[in-house]
Amino acid sequence: GDSVTQMEGPVTLSEEAFLTINCTYTATGYPSLFWYVQYPGEGLQLLLKATKADDKGSNKGFEATYRKETTSFHLEKGSVQVSDSAVYFCAREAGGTSYGKLTFGQGTILTVHP
Amino acid sequence: DGGITQSPKYLFRKEGQNVTLSCEQNLNHDAMYWYRQDPGQGLRLIYYSQIVNDFQKGDIAEGYSVSREKKESFPLTVTSAQKNPTAFYLCASSIGGQPAEQYFGPGTRLTVT
Repeated sequence: GDSVTQMEGPVTLSEEAFLTINCTYTATGYPSLFWYVQYPGEGLQLLLKATKADDKGSNKGFEATYRKETTSFHLEKGSVQVSDSAVYFCAREAGGTSYGKLTFGQGTILTVHP
Repeated sequence: DGGITQSPKYLFRKEGQNVTLSCEQNLNHDAMYWYRQDPGQGLRLIYYSQIVNDFQKGDIAEGYSVSREKKESFPLTVTSAQKNPTAFYLCASSIGGQPAEQYFGPGTRLTVT
């Protein structure tokens, strides 16, 4: 079935460090891919998305490129801030008859220290 | 402002009681979803509805029930049959087509003792 695998956390960085959070997905069809962010005690917010191979999603300094050949959608940011501390979820559109559903990874906790 | 509201933010119940969590959206979205989130885990789908008066079970529907009588509302009832109901519950909605991006409410934290 569909699945999404994220790198295990937690990830701890100093402010202005480079961030990579790895995400790979099962290659069933050509799903849209998403990154969501969740701040403590809140719901998820859509961070960025990509709908086809080689698309690059970007928002608030974060980027992720849809790599069909490696079935990956890694999240990157060149210089993290303390305010980026949150949980990050990678998700893929579910395939088959599950039209409109999303399959989420387990989430990666990011902590950024001053 | 368009969005999704969930109420209340915190909910406390005694074991053996049913409890209903509210979810309302004014985004004119066709599809709505309920997820459960436990500490350190991802989101697990409880129920979803792609159109009014229709809904399907997700991955962990046992002990839960839903209704979808209006487009903007998708309440979730946690019944006494749910063995471990204490969790953070998230409601989401989407246009129902593609792309499948979903928009989330702020969540309800349910504690059952």
